[in-house]
Amino acid sequence: KAGVTQTPRYLIKTRGQQVTLSCSPISGHRSVSWYQQTPGQGLQFLFEYFSETQRNKGNFPGRFSGRQFSNSRSEMNVSTLELGDSALYLCASSQHGNEKLFFGSGTQLSVL
Amino acid sequence: ELKVEQNPLFLSMQEGKNYTIYCNYSTTSDRLYWYRQDPGKSLESLFVLLSNGAVKQEGRLMASLDTKARLSTLHITAAVHDLSATYFCAVNYAGGTSYGKLTFGQGTILTVHP
Repeated sequence: KAGVTQTPRYLIKTRGQQVTLSCSPISGHRSVSWYQQTPGQGLQFLFEYFSETQRNKGNFPGRFSGRQFSNSRSEMNVSTLELGDSALYLCASSQHGNEKLFFGSGTQLSVL
Repeated sequence: ELKVEQNPLFLSMQEGKNYTIYCNYSTTSDRLYWYRQDPGKSLESLFVLLSNGAVKQEGRLMASLDTKARLSTLHITAAVHDLSATYFCAVNYAGGTSYGKLTFGQGTILTVHP
């Protein structure tokens, strides 16, 4: 069974640009969560989607948004990038969201 | 606001020794997770603890949960170099609406020396 797949693996952008990250969950999993990991703030929850609906949202500005498609694949978008958005963005999937989460390898975003 | 605190944050161990990582959390939780992360890699699930008194073991690692004390421990027995990694605990806030939303501790960087 394939794991959680995130693309791209690495991304370099400049301030002011926008970026879209993609996450394909494990087959059969309907919940997809996104986390930001930085050395200073650690792992922080961004949002969670279940059956195409955002079910939970973390304390991030509106520049961070996401969506989930009918096949459970999810994308997150960050607009007007800032230097502080440089981070590892991790996606996790589970069947319903309240059991073990399986994490992808992440997308390392660098904002210059 | 749910807070999760781990200690120690840095742990340097000799091979063969035993040690414990502690995870305290501030409010009632449905479940507690332990994850491992190797440098540059993603998070690997180690344990999911669901109830008071739960104890799970895998190899040299054993995790336990005391929901009354809001405390989980990760015990390392006879450490080996391969256990060097960062260990995170994470808590799912109770209430039934926090699906997929975990609050993580700061992480414990474990280094095992020969």
